[in-house]
Amino acid sequence: AQTVTQSQPEMSVQEAETVTLSCTYDTSESDYYLFWYKQPPSRQMILVIRQEAYKQQNATENRFSVNFQKAAKSFSLKISDSQLGDAAMYFCAYRSATKRYGNKLVFGAGTILRVKS
Amino acid sequence: GAGVSQTPSNKVTEKGKYVELRCDPISGHTALYWYRQSLGQGPEFLIYFQGTGAADDSGLPNDRFFAVRPEGSVSTLKIQRTERGDSAVYLCASSPKADTYNEQFFGPGTRLTVL
Repeated sequence: AQTVTQSQPEMSVQEAETVTLSCTYDTSESDYYLFWYKQPPSRQMILVIRQEAYKQQNATENRFSVNFQKAAKSFSLKISDSQLGDAAMYFCAYRSATKRYGNKLVFGAGTILRVKS
Repeated sequence: GAGVSQTPSNKVTEKGKYVELRCDPISGHTALYWYRQSLGQGPEFLIYFQGTGAADDSGLPNDRFFAVRPEGSVSTLKIQRTERGDSAVYLCASSPKADTYNEQFFGPGTRLTVL
């Protein structure tokens, strides 16, 4: 079974600065998808960024980018120019690309991000 | 357009009671997922539907939990003989189809508290 580990329960960043959230995962598969989700206090999970394992190029979405290291099974999220609205719980998630494991997302325990003004 | 909606937003019940949690997916989405998020944890998969049928119910913790989607749209998660350990946020998500590429869109969840 796949597992996702987020070793940072909480992180803080100064407004306008850059922060990196860590994520490692364990799988025997070669094809899969990785995600970062943001969950504000409203509980609504919002997709931040997605990475396909077969793509070597790291995904970017505006101020958000990832560092995907397939051999190391590492998938970190970098937030540049942090804003107060970035404060939330962030979850790393894994999804198999094969139907054997269905379409379920496997989540890490999350990292609380606090942004200081 | 409207996103995924879940009702009620909060539910408080007593140990041993029966509860139903409702999920309205985005119109036209054929795949629907239920997850459970305990306090301080990430969501855990419970079950997913492709159309009316449960394609994978491997995450349901025991036979007190059951979910239906009779017309391929709205889904209801049913919990019998609730226990204090069932207290959690129950999240629903939908996607255009049960394809591993498609994004899952989440609702705001139902916070269940079992006293």
